[in-house]
Amino acid sequence: AQSVAQPEDQVNVAEGNPLTVKCTYSVSGNPYLFWYVQYPNRGLQFLLKYITGDNLVKGSYGFEAEFNKSQTSFHLKKPSALVSDSALYFCAAGLMDSSYKLIFGSGTRLLVRP
Amino acid sequence: SQTIHQWPATLVQPVGSPLSLECTVEGTSNPNLYWYRQAAGRGLQLLFYSVGIGQISSEVPQNLSASRPQDRQFILSSKKLLLSDSGFYLCAWSRTSGGSDTQYFGPGTRLTVL
Repeated sequence: AQSVAQPEDQVNVAEGNPLTVKCTYSVSGNPYLFWYVQYPNRGLQFLLKYITGDNLVKGSYGFEAEFNKSQTSFHLKKPSALVSDSALYFCAAGLMDSSYKLIFGSGTRLLVRP
Repeated sequence: SQTIHQWPATLVQPVGSPLSLECTVEGTSNPNLYWYRQAAGRGLQLLFYSVGIGQISSEVPQNLSASRPQDRQFILSSKKLLLSDSGFYLCAWSRTSGGSDTQYFGPGTRLTVL
């Protein structure tokens, strides 16, 4: 079965420290990979995506993600966390042979403490 | 620019009552439209998607139905709500049917069935 895993239910970091939110995938073919952020009682907000090319993808609000094909990972990173980055983060995979479906991970709650 | 609207923002309904949630997209034509449900603030479940007026595909057979009466309008309905229908309902749109295309989400509707 095709799946996206976010192994950490919650990540805690101090403001100003680098943050990493992990994502691994198990899909057939080359995936398209996405990161979304969700603030409380709000919809999902698109951060960045990987389609092809450069393995390091830069997105909104200073976030970036690195595609690693050998490790089937797409970890989200930010050099210096802000308290306002505290939210729920979702990794998702789009499939080459599926015209519509995104496979979502279970989400990781990021808590940035002052 | 494109904008996606959902209403109502919150809804409290008794068991057995009907449901109608509305989603509209502005600033684009012939979008792909999606309904998701998010339970317990985490996982996203795709309920329906539509590639055009009157074209609805169901992902999960259940107590809900969807309709697309106009190009940029997507409606989620139920004739009789169940307790298990409670959740956060998200509408999304994308430009094409490609797996690499970004889905953009609306602000969501919080439904509580009592």
